[in-house]
Amino acid sequence: GIQVEQSPPDLILQEGANSTLRCNFSDSVNNLQWFHQNPWGQLINLFYIPSGTKQNGRLSATTVATERYSLLYISSSQTTDSGVYFCAVEDTGRRALTFGSGTRLQVQP
Amino acid sequence: DTEVTQTPKHLVMGMTNKKSLKCEQHMGHRAMYWYKQKAKKPPELMFVYSYEKLSINESVPSRFSPECPNSSLLNLHLHALQPEDSALYLCASSQSAGTGGSLNYGYTFGSGTRLTVV
Repeated sequence: GIQVEQSPPDLILQEGANSTLRCNFSDSVNNLQWFHQNPWGQLINLFYIPSGTKQNGRLSATTVATERYSLLYISSSQTTDSGVYFCAVEDTGRRALTFGSGTRLQVQP
Repeated sequence: DTEVTQTPKHLVMGMTNKKSLKCEQHMGHRAMYWYKQKAKKPPELMFVYSYEKLSINESVPSRFSPECPNSSLLNLHLHALQPEDSALYLCASSQSAGTGGSLNYGYTFGSGTRLTVV
């Protein structure tokens, strides 16, 4: 099946800092989504981005499908950004999302 | 309505109990999913229903029994579980299985049921 790798696995930032999270995937995809999982377990959809660039406030994402990677940018980080960020993909052969192992982000005041 | 609703939010059950998890969506999505997430791990796929038919079973033990009574509802029946089955169970829906989800939103997840087996 498709392999999804995220880096870095852990990230500690000071409030106000910027960061870039990376997701590499091993095959062509129909769908790529970035999620933020809060401490209560809710998976919050940040971006649906199988290709191209999108921005939403302090967050933006870019997927280069031909090179099989996606980047999530967080600018001016806040303590509320803490949590786990997952990249998940649906490849062309399997009709479900496969998740990467996640990036655990801690933003310190 | 752009939500997936899961009940109950928390469940504690004994190893001889029978219980059910419920998932509901009213977005007109025709694919629904069950995922299992252990602590500090990513969600892992269990089952996929497409147009109310089971299309994927990821070799899940028979003590987990899914059911899709209609296009809006998805149940997971639990029987004779083991303590290692304790986890967060997440339900999701998408417009149609195998097409990447809806044009703009992809998959939508519920808030999960946190299950403890004692």
